[in-house]
Amino acid sequence: AQKITQTQPGMFVQEKEAVTLDCTYDTSDQSYGLFWYKQPSSGEMIFLIYQGSYDEQNATEGRYSLNFQKARKSANLVISASQLGDSAMYFCAMREGRGSGAGSYQLTFGKGTKLSVIP
Amino acid sequence: GAGVSQSPRYKVAKRGQDVALRCDPISGHVSLFWYQQALGQGPEFLTYFQNEAQLDKSGLPSDRFFAERPEGSVSTLKIQRTQQEDSAVYLCASSLSSAGWRNTEAFFGQGTRLTVV
Repeated sequence: AQKITQTQPGMFVQEKEAVTLDCTYDTSDQSYGLFWYKQPSSGEMIFLIYQGSYDEQNATEGRYSLNFQKARKSANLVISASQLGDSAMYFCAMREGRGSGAGSYQLTFGKGTKLSVIP
Repeated sequence: GAGVSQSPRYKVAKRGQDVALRCDPISGHVSLFWYQQALGQGPEFLTYFQNEAQLDKSGLPSDRFFAERPEGSVSTLKIQRTQQEDSAVYLCASSLSSAGWRNTEAFFGQGTRLTVV
């Protein structure tokens, strides 16, 4: 089974509007972290926002917020007031814990959503 | 440097050729990761270093892939006898520490696009 599922291969949004990018995850760990990265055409992955499994409040970073619904295992990214520069690939990723407490260091990524902002 | 630097940015290799991809992490970063990103896919984990120690190489697809970080800073990913299926973008990432692993932000380089012909 996929650990990270992003069901929207592509999304369009009008400039200045808000958009939600979907992400669902699968883990049996109690302790894990969820990340969103942006990948513009230049290729590098740019960190946007982080949500810990024990965090009670939804994470926010400027125009980015994470709609974390633990029971549904979803971690959707909300971008408010879209800008032309937001056009890029967006990846949801998870870092899982290992019960021993040592932690797992790798990120597991979804297949991404291509966001296009229309002027 | 200010960010993670990878070289070369682009590499074309003939099938069967050996290649070496370089990653210069952010100075002082303990953790270093290599990921492989096939066209239209998300990055997939290859290997992880903590300083010079390679703690996890479970993602390396075959014994043709080898990574090293001998002095705990610069890392090299080597692919021997390249095959067409090795064509991908190879991303390097570094993070400050393994402590606080859950929310430790990983900084990525721009990647090396390898094309095997």
